[in-house]
Amino acid sequence: DSGVTQTPKHLITATGQRVTLRCSPRSGDLSVYWYQQSLDQGLQFLIQYYNGEERAKGNILERFSAQQFPDLHSELNLSSLELGDSALYFCASSGDRNTGELFFGEGSRLTVL
Amino acid sequence: GESVGLHLPTLSVQEGDNSIINCAYSNSASDYFIWYKQESGKGPQFIIDIRSNMDKRQGQRVTVLLNKTVKHLSLQIAATQPGDSAVYFCAENKGYSTLTFGKGTMLLVSP
Repeated sequence: DSGVTQTPKHLITATGQRVTLRCSPRSGDLSVYWYQQSLDQGLQFLIQYYNGEERAKGNILERFSAQQFPDLHSELNLSSLELGDSALYFCASSGDRNTGELFFGEGSRLTVL
Repeated sequence: GESVGLHLPTLSVQEGDNSIINCAYSNSASDYFIWYKQESGKGPQFIIDIRSNMDKRQGQRVTVLLNKTVKHLSLQIAATQPGDSAVYFCAENKGYSTLTFGKGTMLLVSP
């Protein structure tokens, strides 16, 4: 158990819809990361938050947004969903070592029909 | 663009053998290189990291080698066990632990 909790585990929705994925980081971790894993693109970094502020941005679409709340949990919002957005979405958290050691949750599997 | 890739998509070994998983990277500016293991239905799990100014680091049954001359990273697993069966990813730290992952190698361990 990594200590990172993600909900929901599975989500099925239709094209054009909007969904919110939720993440609770490990106790004490200030950094939260979102990654997308798909068969064709592999594991792709989307966005990072540190103590409520956006710190780094990766290959995140404009239709996607995220935030980190004062209690450090984070949400990833995906809107105007397309078939190609079907993927596993992972949240990870880390301490301050910045060595690349991340603690990943078990992911939210999104299926867009 | 920058990328981290793997030479072998699948590696099959017998229990007790040593396994070597390879990775090529292209961004020499990364300060850390990392290996992750992902079991079916789970998130990636950190195995070991190596700082860019090192060429070898050992952990429990694992060794990571970094060859900066040829931009090559490898993970050696000693006495491979069935529980080691998983997909292994190399990754490079682009700063603040934002990682670029390779495409993964599946390790299959037969009893």
